[in-house]
Amino acid sequence: EVQLVESGGDLIQPGRSLRLSCTASGFTFVDYAMHWVRQAPGEGLEWVSGISWNSGSITYADSVKGRFTISRDNAKSSLYLEMNSLRAEDTALYYCAKAGGSGRTVYFDYWGQGTLVTVSS
Amino acid sequence: DIVMTQSPDSLAVSLGERATINCKSSQSIVYSSNNKNYLAWYQQRPGQPPKLLIYWASMRQSGVPDRFSGSGSGTDFTLTISSLQAEDVAVYYCHQYYSAPYTFGQGTNLEIK
Repeated sequence: EVQLVESGGDLIQPGRSLRLSCTASGFTFVDYAMHWVRQAPGEGLEWVSGISWNSGSITYADSVKGRFTISRDNAKSSLYLEMNSLRAEDTALYYCAKAGGSGRTVYFDYWGQGTLVTVSS
Repeated sequence: DIVMTQSPDSLAVSLGERATINCKSSQSIVYSSNNKNYLAWYQQRPGQPPKLLIYWASMRQSGVPDRFSGSGSGTDFTLTISSLQAEDVAVYYCHQYYSAPYTFGQGTNLEIK
């Protein structure tokens, strides 16, 4: 059974940093690209960032480019999101999502339960 | 960026009746080399993460009931629930994965009439 478990969410002040983690199990982690998708309270879904299986291809939404860094550790089946210079508008539930296939097959076939990031003074 | 626009924003359908949700992309999301539409549909029940229903515009994900179907090509797509069940109450999102940034529709809230 595929499982994605996010952690690291917290209440944090604007301008500070936070690191999210996602631990994967139930599939061969190294074979798939992974992504972060967020959802602000009561709002829709926003793709944040994605990373290929070997970290050779990394993409970001413009809203987080230059502030967030995605990474992965295939030996630990783990995905990370380093978030710097946090803003109130970064407040959201952050989901870890597995890509459904290789290359450009970037639909998300499994999602974690999410970890909540609240940016407020 | 490719803008995804769903209609309607909300929908109330009687149990057993058909529900139809539309999604329009601001540009074609068909990749010429494979003629595939890079469009997925998700269901999000209250308090739950999204669940993949449909990918490649019309391929049903394993385990998804066959009352769910996807259609369309190019810029216009449709999710149809042929006979609404109580457990289908949710918000539905379309999603283009043709090019980054990968964008979602604003969501359609489906309720029971």
